[in-house]
Amino acid sequence: AQSVTQLGSHVSVSEGALVLLRCNYSSSVPPYLFWYVQYPNQGLQLLLKYTSAATLVKGINGFEAEFKKSETSFHLTKPSAHMSDAAEYFCAVSEGQAGTALIFGKGTTLSVSS
Amino acid sequence: SAVISQKPSRDICQRGTSLTIQCQVDSQVTMMFWYRQQPGQSLTLIATANQGSEATYESGFVIDKFPISRPNLTFSTLTVSNMSPEDSSIYLCSVGKREYEQFFGPGTRLTVL
Repeated sequence: AQSVTQLGSHVSVSEGALVLLRCNYSSSVPPYLFWYVQYPNQGLQLLLKYTSAATLVKGINGFEAEFKKSETSFHLTKPSAHMSDAAEYFCAVSEGQAGTALIFGKGTTLSVSS
Repeated sequence: SAVISQKPSRDICQRGTSLTIQCQVDSQVTMMFWYRQQPGQSLTLIATANQGSEATYESGFVIDKFPISRPNLTFSTLTVSNMSPEDSSIYLCSVGKREYEQFFGPGTRLTVL
């Protein structure tokens, strides 16, 4: 069965600093990987996705993630944090067929201080 | 993409009652999903709802507690039955679209007293 592990339930950075949110996956087949963001009292918004094309994926709001098969990782990064980036971030993996449910990690809360 | 709406957006209910949550999509989709997000937790899949067939429930979730309807390709309902405080969660519906991505509704925030 596929699974996702997000290392660090809470990450704190200063405004302008690098953001690094870690995600490792377990899958016996080529995975489809996603990062979602959830702002307080809102639903989930797709940040970016990996679907077996380019290993470096660029998303919205300046975020990007790199798929590393050898490390089974899909870490999310942003060069310079903004206060507005403070939110909950979820890494998710698809079971591999279009239209199937996602398996989510436990989430990482990102705090940004001025 | 897909635009998904949910009703109600939030509710406060009494123990032992039931609440039906509606999910409406702006386009036809084959599969819809219902997730639960307990306070401070990640999302857990409750069931997959296909139009014209019975919903498929994940381990730990049963139809008597969470009956689901899927009358057409743009609409689904989830009922939380005989509620207890442990059912206090955010309930989200989602739809699967191209390239395996899913779009989520804004969620229904349920508090059970």
